[in-house]
Amino acid sequence: AQRVTQPEKLLSVFKGAPVELKCNYSYSGSPELFWYVQYSRQRLQLLLRHISRESIKGFTADLNKGETSFHLKKPFAQEEDSAMYYCALDSGGSNYKLTFGKGTLLTVNP
Amino acid sequence: DAGVTQSPTHLIKTRGQQVTLRCSPKSGHDTVSWYQQALGQGPQFIFQYYEEEERQRGNFPDRFSGHQFPNYSSELNVNALLLGDSALYLCASSLTGGGVTEQYFGPGTRLTVT
Repeated sequence: AQRVTQPEKLLSVFKGAPVELKCNYSYSGSPELFWYVQYSRQRLQLLLRHISRESIKGFTADLNKGETSFHLKKPFAQEEDSAMYYCALDSGGSNYKLTFGKGTLLTVNP
Repeated sequence: DAGVTQSPTHLIKTRGQQVTLRCSPKSGHDTVSWYQQALGQGPQFIFQYYEEEERQRGNFPDRFSGHQFPNYSSELNVNALLLGDSALYLCASSLTGGGVTEQYFGPGTRLTVT
């Protein structure tokens, strides 16, 4: 069975500092990994997916199959990055069934 | 396009009752997934509907059932409500056949079981 672990429930950094949100997964096949974000009073939305290898709002994430990790990184955090971040895994290969972690609440202080 | 819409926004039910939640997908989408999000937890996959059939199902009892209509909208039904069913229920829509596609989430329905 697949599992996604986000070890930090809360993460607080100062504006301009680097930020890394950790995500580890457990899955025997070739997963597709995603990061979703939920800003205050907004709905859950896709931030980025590993297959695209893109940078969104300055965030990047690299899939490390050896360490089964998909950590989210940003070199210089902004106050508007404050939000709830969820790592998710799709075992079906085509966005059929997402398994989410419990989420990390990121607070960027001025 | 209003995106994914869900109704009602909030709902209070008594243990043992039945409830129906509704979801309209984003325009152009044909696939609807339902998730349960308990307080402090990430969303948990309930099931997914495509072509009016249940395509995938998570680890939820048969008390949870669903339906998809020809216009792609969907309903989630929960029978014999338990206190533990209190949660935010999220609907997500996507387009099957487009390769890896994004799931668009609705605002959710907050269900409280007393």
